[in-house]
Amino acid sequence: IQMTQSPSTLAAFVGDRVTITCRASQSVSNWLAWYQQKPGEAPKLLMYETSTLDSGVPSRFSGSGFGTEFTLTINSLQPDDFATYFCHQYSDNSWVFGPGTKVEIK
Amino acid sequence: HVQLVQSGAEVEKTGASVKVSCKASGYTFTDNYVHWVRQAPGQGLEWMGWISPNTGYTKYGKIFQGRVTMTRDTSTATAYLEVSGLRFDDTATYYCARQFSESFYLDYWGQGTLITVSS
Repeated sequence: IQMTQSPSTLAAFVGDRVTITCRASQSVSNWLAWYQQKPGEAPKLLMYETSTLDSGVPSRFSGSGFGTEFTLTINSLQPDDFATYFCHQYSDNSWVFGPGTKVEIK
Repeated sequence: HVQLVQSGAEVEKTGASVKVSCKASGYTFTDNYVHWVRQAPGQGLEWMGWISPNTGYTKYGKIFQGRVTMTRDTSTATAYLEVSGLRFDDTATYYCARQFSESFYLDYWGQGTLITVSS
């Protein structure tokens, strides 16, 4: 299974709503997670099973999709949200990450 | 609280082997698979494989088979990753991560270990 993400980079203002798309080369059902990574840090789990927020993750983050197309939406982007986001499929005894989307300050 | 603490950065020569440790605390070590994921400088995340701390059973990604060995020591709640025949393109930060016990996603990550391969 191959994973793609778009865009690879996006620039946005604080307060903007941003959407990142993740596509799988074949269906992964809802076995998809999103991670946030800041420079020099380990990835941090944001959500799993497509749309379930991990404990402590702000509600401005949301996820949707099924099968081969998924989105991560951040409502009202905050300064702490500027980071790289990776999608991750974990279906069928395989683990594959998307290439990442870097969210930069505009 | 759950913690995965990894060993420190290392510099190795091409052809050598390196062993990275990942010490778990805050949960029952044998209840959760441990995965290894690496990230080359400025690049994305690459899954390497997992080990069951309970049984010692392993599954490796195809491109790593034959060059990677994952082991564990249940007495110290530590997982290990050994990479042999190091090449320049093995230069990366190596992460251990815990698989959530009731699903397959990775919920807690170690801080990462930078392995630099030089000549």
